[in-house]
Amino acid sequence: AQSVSQHNHHVILSEAASLELGCNYSYGGTVNLFWYVQYPGQHLQLLLKYFSGDPLVKGIKGFEAEFIKSKFSFNLRKPSVQWSDTAEYFCAVKDSWGKLQFGAGTQVVVTP
Amino acid sequence: DTEVTQTPKHLVMGMTNKKSLKCEQHMGHRAMYWYKQKAKKPPELMFVYSYEKLSINESVPSRFSPECPNSSLLNLHLHALQPEDSALYLCASSQDPGGNSPLHFGNGTRLTVT
Repeated sequence: AQSVSQHNHHVILSEAASLELGCNYSYGGTVNLFWYVQYPGQHLQLLLKYFSGDPLVKGIKGFEAEFIKSKFSFNLRKPSVQWSDTAEYFCAVKDSWGKLQFGAGTQVVVTP
Repeated sequence: DTEVTQTPKHLVMGMTNKKSLKCEQHMGHRAMYWYKQKAKKPPELMFVYSYEKLSINESVPSRFSPECPNSSLLNLHLHALQPEDSALYLCASSQDPGGNSPLHFGNGTRLTVT
């Protein structure tokens, strides 16, 4: 069975600070990894995804993530956050049958 | 705005009522999903439809009954719900059920069971 764990439940940081959110997964099959963001009152949006190839993946809004197979990790990063990045961030893993499982989520608050 | 449309946005129902949640997408996606999200929690998978056939049921109680009338529509029929079923119900679709096909989510239906 697949599982996803996110290291931090709440992160508070100032504008222009760098952000890194941890994600570890366990899954025995082909790894398909995603980061989703949920802004207040909005739908879940895809930030980025990894299936294969270059382990450094670039997504929307200046986010990137690095897949490290040896560490079973897929951490999300952004060099300089803005107030508008305040949101809940979910790491997720999908199996070949269509089951997308989410981590517990990290609430990120960016202060002006 | 999302390309997955869910109606209604809000629903209040009593424990003896029967109601339905609706979801529609016109992206030509062949997999559709129902998730349940409680406050401050991640979405939890309920059902997956693949090419209009139910492929995954995550041991959901029978008071929740999914239906996929065609490739663009997904319904969730509700009957005899409990107050603990109050949650945000999310619909999603993906091009196919395969692992590398990301899900596109709707805005959800906020359900309150009284």
